[in-house]
Amino acid sequence: NAGVTQTPKFQVLKTGQSMTLQCAQDMNHEYMSWYRQDPGMGLRLIHYSVGAGITDQGEVPNGYNVSRSTTEDFPLRLLSAAPSQTSVYFCASRVGPEAFFGQGTRLTVV
Amino acid sequence: AQSVTQPDIHITVSEGASLELRCNYSYGATPYLFWYVQSPGQGLQLLLKYFSGDTLVQGIKGFEAEFKRSQSSFNLRKPSVHWSDAAEYFCAVGGQGAQKLVFGQGTRLTINP
Repeated sequence: NAGVTQTPKFQVLKTGQSMTLQCAQDMNHEYMSWYRQDPGMGLRLIHYSVGAGITDQGEVPNGYNVSRSTTEDFPLRLLSAAPSQTSVYFCASRVGPEAFFGQGTRLTVV
Repeated sequence: AQSVTQPDIHITVSEGASLELRCNYSYGATPYLFWYVQSPGQGLQLLLKYFSGDTLVQGIKGFEAEFKRSQSSFNLRKPSVHWSDAAEYFCAVGGQGAQKLVFGQGTRLTINP
């Protein structure tokens, strides 16, 4: 049972480039979310989804898009990368209040 | 508004010493409380959780936490730390119908040999 799988683990982008961070879960959880982790700020919610076809914004959604076409997948798209988006990104799926996290994607924007 | 405060950004303890990491929360409904651990370069691993019932909860790796409603606290403890406990620890609060978990800023634990 793989749980929550994120790819890639590391990525370097140039300012203005776009990319998609992939997230897949095999636990059939309806609820999925994306967080970013920055030093001294804990984890902040970017976007979340309560089921296929339903997404909503979290605390820090600007510069990111999401879609949820299947229960399993919840990709995060950076439209035009900026240095402020340098961070570690975590995808999570939930059953009830308990969240299960992927291993993270460390993104650097230069 | 819901929030979590971890007052200690960085704690250093000696191997074999006891440990207490503090967590205070603000939540308008019945809180569900969590402690996660993040080893360097790794994801978040759930240490323990409190939903209801006994206010002293046991977790993995010998950790425990006590829920004190009157103090809005959920402090994490371990009687004797090991070098492998060096990591960052996050407290989080949520609820059954909540759309998100709210995380504290994290406490980085360093272990002296």
